[in-house]
Amino acid sequence: DGGITQSPKYLFRKEGQNVTLSCEQNLNHDAMYWYRQDPGQGLRLIYYSQIVNDFQKGDIAEGYSVSREKKESFPLTVTSAQKNPTAFYLCASRGTGSETQYFGPGTRLLVL
Amino acid sequence: EDKVVQSPLSLVVHEGDTVTLNCSYEVTNFRSLLWYKQEKKAPTFLFMLTSSGIEKKSGRLSSILDKKELFSILNITATQTGDSAVYLCAVPRVQGAQKLVFGQGTRLTINP
Repeated sequence: DGGITQSPKYLFRKEGQNVTLSCEQNLNHDAMYWYRQDPGQGLRLIYYSQIVNDFQKGDIAEGYSVSREKKESFPLTVTSAQKNPTAFYLCASRGTGSETQYFGPGTRLLVL
Repeated sequence: EDKVVQSPLSLVVHEGDTVTLNCSYEVTNFRSLLWYKQEKKAPTFLFMLTSSGIEKKSGRLSSILDKKELFSILNITATQTGDSAVYLCAVPRVQGAQKLVFGQGTRLTINP
């Protein structure tokens, strides 16, 4: 099955804790993206990567970090510096030459 | 600043009704506009409209783009309860990497 997977489905974070959200794709896409969605709002871009070993900050990168060591994987770490992390996190990927991004099922992050 | 605005934010209709969702945009050097449907999790791609393809249709869903007035509409005829979802409109920014700017979304509820 080709697609994008995200794990876990739900994640609970304690105060001061770093947590990592997984995103994997087997679509052979070069570009990958992380978005945050808050209730009643559209998606906002956190980080993106156009190619392996390269990534750029999006509009709301503060308190987050990413890595892109493999083409298939683009994990997102929510650090303790992110003061309001409760949200729905969506990962997307895009093939070269395409303008369409395809999304994973999302991870819902809650703070204990 | 690039901006995408959707209206209405919420819409409740009865099964069988026809609905029209609106998306207006202000972006530099427009290239394309994308519509997504989001049920409980991942947004799924519906249509992409470009300068060379200003009208798209798929079953009961259709969309047009007005490049002069800078808006798009998504039309759904003979609505069904399965059409209940949040509909998102997005426009890629020009400055590389196809970063999408999303509207707030329209939450559509179809009552039986």
